[in-house]
Amino acid sequence: QKEVEQNSGPLSVPEGAIASLNCTYSDRGSQSFFWYRQYSGKSPELIMFIYSNGDKEDGRFTAQLNKASQYVSLLIRDSQPSDSATYLCAALGGRGSTLGRLYFGRGTQLTVWP
Amino acid sequence: EPEVTQTPSHQVTQMGQEVILRCVPISNHLYFYWYRQILGQKVEFLVSFYNNEISEKSEIFDDQFSVERPDGSNFTLKIRSTKLEDSAMYFCASRTRRTSADTQYFGPGTRLTVL
Repeated sequence: QKEVEQNSGPLSVPEGAIASLNCTYSDRGSQSFFWYRQYSGKSPELIMFIYSNGDKEDGRFTAQLNKASQYVSLLIRDSQPSDSATYLCAALGGRGSTLGRLYFGRGTQLTVWP
Repeated sequence: EPEVTQTPSHQVTQMGQEVILRCVPISNHLYFYWYRQILGQKVEFLVSFYNNEISEKSEIFDDQFSVERPDGSNFTLKIRSTKLEDSAMYFCASRTRRTSADTQYFGPGTRLTVL
């Protein structure tokens, strides 16, 4: 069974702080990983993807991937109240998945308070 | 900016009835997906579709489910005889080409309520 695990939170940080979201995955064959943001009652919205070990930065967001530890994280710098949402980690299915089935974690609920 | 669209936004049906959920993927995308999310639970893969045939389906996607691309723009999910446990948000997604970096873009979802 291919699993993606996230701390469900809730995670609460003050405005301007760094929010750190973590994710582990079970399928060593997974090569690409995605962070989606989901507001309540809405669909997942892509924040960023990563497929190489190390860090990838995009504005206030930094994704980190460690394939040896099967660990993915997302850092949000200078957190804003508008960042309050559930953050979904997803792994692209590895061997045996022909067209990129995504495996999602349960999500981490983030609240940024003013 | 191109978007995936879905209709209806909310569908209420009686148990045992057939429902068809509709999606219009982004126009140059070739790979299509359905996912569902039961309230409070994780997003779950149902099926992937390419070149007019199913590529992969999950254990959830049993004989009660079917997908179709009836024309050049629509992609539909049919549930033949709905059950209470089919109540969920159903998301359509699409992507452009088959590389690991390409992302799936999600539509706004259809909330299905089975009474």
